[in-house]
Amino acid sequence: IVLTQSPATLSLSPGERATLSCRASQSVSSFLAWYQQKPGQAPRLLIYDAFNRATGIPARFSGSGSGTDFTLTISSLEPEDFAVYYCQQRSNWPLTFGGGTKVEI
Amino acid sequence: EVQLLESGGGLVQPGGSLRLSCAASGFTFSSYAMSWVRQAPGKGLEWVSGISGSGDSTYYADSAKGRFTISRDNSKNTLYLQMNSLRAEDTALYYCAKDPIYNRAVGAGNSFDYWGQGTLVTVSS
Repeated sequence: IVLTQSPATLSLSPGERATLSCRASQSVSSFLAWYQQKPGQAPRLLIYDAFNRATGIPARFSGSGSGTDFTLTISSLEPEDFAVYYCQQRSNWPLTFGGGTKVEI
Repeated sequence: EVQLLESGGGLVQPGGSLRLSCAASGFTFSSYAMSWVRQAPGKGLEWVSGISGSGDSTYYADSAKGRFTISRDNSKNTLYLQMNSLRAEDTALYYCAKDPIYNRAVGAGNSFDYWGQGTLVTVSS
């Protein structure tokens, strides 16, 4: 299953709303996760199974969607949110990641 | 506290072999599926291989099939990745990553709630 993320880069200011998209080449039901990765760090799980926030993730992060179209929304960007975001499906083997969206200032 | 510590990376010539290890602590290792995920320099994430908690079921990306073997020793809380016939395109930071679900049903895919810091594999002559 190929995951296509858009846009590749999102240029926003702190306080603005970020909307990131992930489209699957076939239905993955709700089995989609979102990760945040900062330079020099391992990825961090934000959202699992489309809309469930992982432990300790702030409420400004939310996920939605099902089937083939998914969205990660950051309601009001904090300075620490500028990073690269990846989606990942667990519906079918092999597991796959999207190519990433960079959220930059 | 969950900790995952990878080791075994290094510089290897094309066609060579390496064995990566991931020492786990802070959770009941045998009850969680584990995976290896890699990231080439400046590139995105690529899932490489996964294994069930018992070790009975294994899964591979097409890029790893026939060359890489995932295994685990639950008595030592350690995950392994044996990599043979290495190619330049295998150059990457290799992470081990943990499934968030206790005793997930065999065959079901997973996401990853904890990651190590990675071990760098460089394939070059």
